[in-house]
Amino acid sequence: EAQVTQNPRYLITVTGKKLTVTCSQNMNHEYMSWYRQDPGLGLRQIYYSMNVEVTDKGDVPEGYKVSRKEKRNFPLILESPSPNQTSLYFCASTHGTNTEAFFGQGTRLTVV
Amino acid sequence: AQSVSQHNHHVILSEAASLELGCNYSYGGTVNLFWYVQYPGQHLQLLLKYFSGDPLVKGIKGFEAEFIKSKFSFNLRKPSVQWSDTAEYFCAVNAGSGYSTLTFGKGTMLLVSP
Repeated sequence: EAQVTQNPRYLITVTGKKLTVTCSQNMNHEYMSWYRQDPGLGLRQIYYSMNVEVTDKGDVPEGYKVSRKEKRNFPLILESPSPNQTSLYFCASTHGTNTEAFFGQGTRLTVV
Repeated sequence: AQSVSQHNHHVILSEAASLELGCNYSYGGTVNLFWYVQYPGQHLQLLLKYFSGDPLVKGIKGFEAEFIKSKFSFNLRKPSVQWSDTAEYFCAVNAGSGYSTLTFGKGTMLLVSP
C-alpha cells in the first residue's frame, strides 16, 4: 500500500530537548515536504526536498532542520524545541510537478 | 510567490443543503489547483485537482470545483451535503511548471448538522 509514515504520532517534550520526527514514503517520490498546521493559519511549509541531498527552506524554517540522505526518508529535527513549536506536523511526498501530494498521518507535538 | 485565500473560516449547514466554498489565488502564471479535506483527527486527503483541460472538475464523494481563470478562483461545490462531510477543507495551489511549493489557504471548517 502506497503511504507516507510518520513517527511518532504524538509527542510531549520539554523545552530544549532535541527531538526527531521521522517520515518515510514507499512510493519512490522525489519531492518531500514538512508542514506545520496551526488553528486559523492552515498549513505552512517548513522545509522541502527535491531529491537526495537537496533541501530548501519553506515559509517557516526557523528552529527546524531536515536531512535527505535517502530518497524514502525525510526526518524533521528540532535541535532545541520551544513552546511556539507546539503544533501538528505533516510530512508529504510528491512524484512530480503535476501530481498531488500524499500526506502522512501527522505528528502532534507539544513542547512544555 | 503564490497565495491562497479562502473566504469562510467556518460554515454551518444542515444536511441536504448545498455547499459552495470560495477559494481565490494570486499567481500570474499557470497553476495547479487542489482541494484537500481533513476529517477530524485525520490527515489531509485529496478531494480533487485541476491541472488543465475542462475547468469543471469532479472529485470524490460528489464534490466538484470550477476553475475560473479570469477570476483566479477555484470554488468547491456539493449539491447536497451529508453529516459525514463535516471536516476542514483546504484549497491549495502550486505553479504549473517546474517544481514549486504547495501553498495552502487557511482552511474552512464545515459543520453539517443532522
